[in-house]
Amino acid sequence: DAKTTQPTSMDCAEGRAANLPCNHSTISGNEYVYWYRQIHSQGPQYIIHGLKNNETNEMASLIITEDRKSSTLILPHATLRDTAVYYCIVITFRDDKIIFGKGTRLHILP
Amino acid sequence: GAVVSQHPSRVICKSGTSVKIECRSLDFQATTMFWYRQFPKQSLMLMATSNEGSKATYEQGVEKDKFLINHASLTLSTLTVTSAHPEDSSFYICSASGAGGDTQYFGPGTRLTVL
Repeated sequence: DAKTTQPTSMDCAEGRAANLPCNHSTISGNEYVYWYRQIHSQGPQYIIHGLKNNETNEMASLIITEDRKSSTLILPHATLRDTAVYYCIVITFRDDKIIFGKGTRLHILP
Repeated sequence: GAVVSQHPSRVICKSGTSVKIECRSLDFQATTMFWYRQFPKQSLMLMATSNEGSKATYEQGVEKDKFLINHASLTLSTLTVTSAHPEDSSFYICSASGAGGDTQYFGPGTRLTVL
């Protein structure tokens, strides 16, 4: 079973920040939080990952709570191309097998 | 990020035939590759873990004699669906990770349709 829970779907207006929450209350100290997204009929695309500190890259920001039991992926200026299913995953190491949950289906509204 | 390719991107075959899908890491050596399948409107389901030079490890419920996995080199893993049937029609996706990196990267997927 997936170790994370996410809302089934979310809407966000184009140009606004999209904030996608994820709960991982049973996360272990050596587990990382990874985010991927899957646009229709494509393979998942890596977005960002982190362990304890907040992270930012050209795609998104990742905010991890101090107790590490939840995190939020932030897409700062959502566009229609950000419409996808977003998966939050916790794994120990890159070679760990990934068990996908249902993810959050993000709809960007024009 | 690192690039993982799959070939073919789409295949249609007759029931009873075998189909081979290739997964390649283009700019890194992948010691471990994973194979997933995804049915419509569902999430990805892990099928097996493929380690270079050793036998694949299959998830519970996945028939190893039906889904043959070969990881003969550090840049190539193949999945062969033997004696394919219509219920094997699905989207097959591989992922790979390599030494020095800390992220798994996914291929673009292969859509298999068995008539």
